[in-house]
Amino acid sequence: QITLKESGPTLVKPTQTLTLTCTFSGFSLSTSGEGVGWIRQPPGKALEWLALIYWDNNERYSPSLKSRLTITKDTSQNQVVLTMTNMDPVDTATYFCAHRPGSGWYFDYWGQGTLVTVSS
Amino acid sequence: QSVLTQPPSVSAAPGQKVTISCSGSSSNIGNNYVSWYQQLPGTAPKFLIYENYKRPSGIPDRFSGSKSGTSATLSITGLQTGDEADYYCGTWDSSLSAGVFGTGTKVTVL
Repeated sequence: QITLKESGPTLVKPTQTLTLTCTFSGFSLSTSGEGVGWIRQPPGKALEWLALIYWDNNERYSPSLKSRLTITKDTSQNQVVLTMTNMDPVDTATYFCAHRPGSGWYFDYWGQGTLVTVSS
Repeated sequence: QSVLTQPPSVSAAPGQKVTISCSGSSSNIGNNYVSWYQQLPGTAPKFLIYENYKRPSGIPDRFSGSKSGTSATLSITGLQTGDEADYYCGTWDSSLSAGVFGTGTKVTVL
């Protein structure tokens, strides 16, 4: 059974750096093809794809946010970390991490999400 | 700014059918598989359809997907009140080298 859970601050100030951790179980990011992604959703708005890290450490980023994002993994801890620099109130959103199976591009299991508010 | 366009809302009476379109381009839907997600109010998205039309185990056959050219469609037959949710399409964009989601469609059961 695959589970994922996001953790991190609920409130950050403008210009600060956000660090979110996704802790997962039920699969290994050392297995060929596996990946974990981050997606966010501002209140009342659509899903936005942010970043993805593969089992082989390849990373993919949303072009519009690439300069602010870094995704890393700790295979031994079953964790994926997303950092986003220079936070702004428009970055207020629920942030989800999700599992990408080795067989294709889609997210089959999602975390519950964590709401991050950017405010001074 | 989603690159996949969906209608903001669709509605139908219980037992009826709704279809949700997802329009993209050759760099995304035209050359990659499409997936669909259901998001009930206040919850995380739920995986509904993958590789254009395949259903994960546990997803009823009332939900079906299709793709033609640069557009994809999700159909829900035998509409139930529990189907009221937001629905999103998703795919890979080869030009962006990134995933993309649709603008989202709210399904209302009248």
